[in-house]
Amino acid sequence: DTGVSQDPRHKITKRGQNVTFRCDPISEHNRLYWYRQTLGQGPEFLTYFQNEAQLEKSRLLSDRFSAERPKGSFSTLEIQRTEQGDSAMYLCASSSTGVPEFFGPGTRLTVL
Amino acid sequence: GENVEQHPSTLSVQEGDSAVIKCTYSDSASNYFPWYKQELGKRPQLIIDIRSNVGEKKDQRIAVTLNKTAKHFSLHITETQPEDSAVYFCAARLYNNNDMRFGAGTRLTVKP
Repeated sequence: DTGVSQDPRHKITKRGQNVTFRCDPISEHNRLYWYRQTLGQGPEFLTYFQNEAQLEKSRLLSDRFSAERPKGSFSTLEIQRTEQGDSAMYLCASSSTGVPEFFGPGTRLTVL
Repeated sequence: GENVEQHPSTLSVQEGDSAVIKCTYSDSASNYFPWYKQELGKRPQLIIDIRSNVGEKKDQRIAVTLNKTAKHFSLHITETQPEDSAVYFCAARLYNNNDMRFGAGTRLTVKP
């Protein structure tokens, strides 16, 4: 499969725990985006990488969220001290242009 | 920042009829307007896009129009088919900015 992949697909955690998600973009894509989507809403931008550089971060993103893309390939998104409001689908997208073209299947996070 | 409003939230049409979904945006500096289709339980897919230097773009049964003066753009689907049933999201991106804002989505149902 040469598309965008994400792991895990589902994560259930207790409030206060830390979680980490992984995204593997299409291999030749240098741009990587993270979005969050809640039920009945459109995706909400979280952060953007070009190669290994994190160039943009949403002002809505609290300091409990951190993302990395250490070698310009896969990326990780970590949420520390999870809250129930963090429950959502976390989507990764990659592209070689300036817009998110190809989305991954998402990681569904449930915080109990 | 940019604010995107989308309507209607739900749309039901008979197979073969046309469907139109409309979006408005707030920031006149937005210059790129994609549309995504998201089938139930699946990832968003980019289906068509338009840039601010173009008024209309067509790809087989789908077309997008842009009115920069009024700051609104629309998706038109002709000869709808049951497989067109999905949630459609519009989005708008500011020039030289990766924080793309999505509308809340339109659930389109095509009845056979």
